[in-house]
Order: sequence, then structure tokens, then C-alpha cells
Amino acid sequence: NFMLTQPHSVSESPGKTVTISCTGSSGSIAGNYVQWHQQRPGSAPTTVIYEDNQRPAGVPDRFSGSIDSSSNSAFLTISGLKTEDEADYYCQSYDSTNLGVFGGGTKLTVL
Amino acid sequence: QVQLVQSGAEVKKPGSSVKVSCKASGGTFSSYTITWVRQAPGQGLEWMGRIIPLLGIADYAQKFQGRVTITADKSTSTTYLELNSLRSADTAVFYCARGGQFPFDSWGQGTLITVSS
Repeated sequence: NFMLTQPHSVSESPGKTVTISCTGSSGSIAGNYVQWHQQRPGSAPTTVIYEDNQRPAGVPDRFSGSIDSSSNSAFLTISGLKTEDEADYYCQSYDSTNLGVFGGGTKLTVL
Repeated sequence: QVQLVQSGAEVKKPGSSVKVSCKASGGTFSSYTITWVRQAPGQGLEWMGRIIPLLGIADYAQKFQGRVTITADKSTSTTYLELNSLRSADTAVFYCARGGQFPFDSWGQGTLITVSS
């Protein structure tokens, strides 16, 4: 079964840059688009990156996505961290049969 | 702007079934998808399945095959998730999300299903 692995938690200071990884267990992560979703406590998720590196309208350009085929990983980078960025972040993609898969989520603490 | 409005919280007995609805408003029932996602308390997101409402074609995560059914009513722009043989481990918030302009471009507010005797 295809799995996406994320670090359980990351922390960084306001104004700094943080990068969250999402590593595919098999195949090529570049073969299917990766989305990133933000979930603040008590709220529904919202999508901050789609199709590897595209930002929905209203998402600040401090958020960016990338793919590294050599490590079979996707990355979410948030620059100029703000306290409001503190949330859980989930990567999501598709397996070889085009069924969806989520990563386990990463808790971002901005301290 | 499409808005997804889900049905309210429910408490169910073990072994029973639940049917959660997700109504799209502010848009048309075009050739987009609706995906259902489960989130157990304190846990991560879990992809359950999706449907193309216009075609009525659904597919499901292997974990939920045989226990979940996703359907759509084009006349009311509503999609349904039915989960059978409920157990306490199914206690969770269930979200619907639309794949339109891009995957997951709109999310419902979530529906809490509590399974308890």
C-alpha cells in the first residue's frame, strides 16, 4: 500500500522559514499531483497548495510547494512565519490506482 | 463560490448505519468530484472515497470497501456517505470536499458521528 510519511511535528520562530516534507513509500511521487492542506484546531481543513506548487486564490505567497524526485518527496515551505500559521498540515496524493492517500500530518508550532 | 453544507451531528449504536449528506450551493453540479474524508478524534485525515455526481461513479479506499457507499442526487446537488456496521472506532468527524477548479477546492464544515452504546 502506498503511504505518505510526514514528520510528526516541526517548530520555528516567527519570521523564519520552515519546510515540511512528505515522502512517498513507493513509485514516483512526481507521477501524481500533491496537495497540501492546513487544519487549524477545531476547523475544517483548507487547501494551501494544489498540483504540487499551485496556490489557491487568497493563500499568501509565503506558502510554496515543491517536488524532489531524487528523494521521492514533496515539500511545503512557509516563509516569514506568523503565529496564525500554527496548524496541522497534511500532504495528499494518489496511489497507482488513482485512489487518494493522506500523509499522517505535521503539527507546526510557531513559537 | 461553491459552498458545501453537511448534515448535523449524530449518535449511533454499534452495528447500525449512518448516512451523512453534503449539499452544494452556489454552483452547478458539473463534472466535479466529491471526496469524503474521515478524521477520528485527535487523529489525521483519512481518504474514504469519492464520486463524480454527474455520472454517479464512485470508488472507495480498500479499507472501507464493502462497508461504505457514496451516492449523489443531481436534482438536489447533494452527495451522501453511508457507512454500515458501525463500531466505536468509527467515531469521527466526516468531511466532504469538492474537486472542481482543483482538488479539494471547497470543504464542508464536517459532521461528527459518535458511535456509542
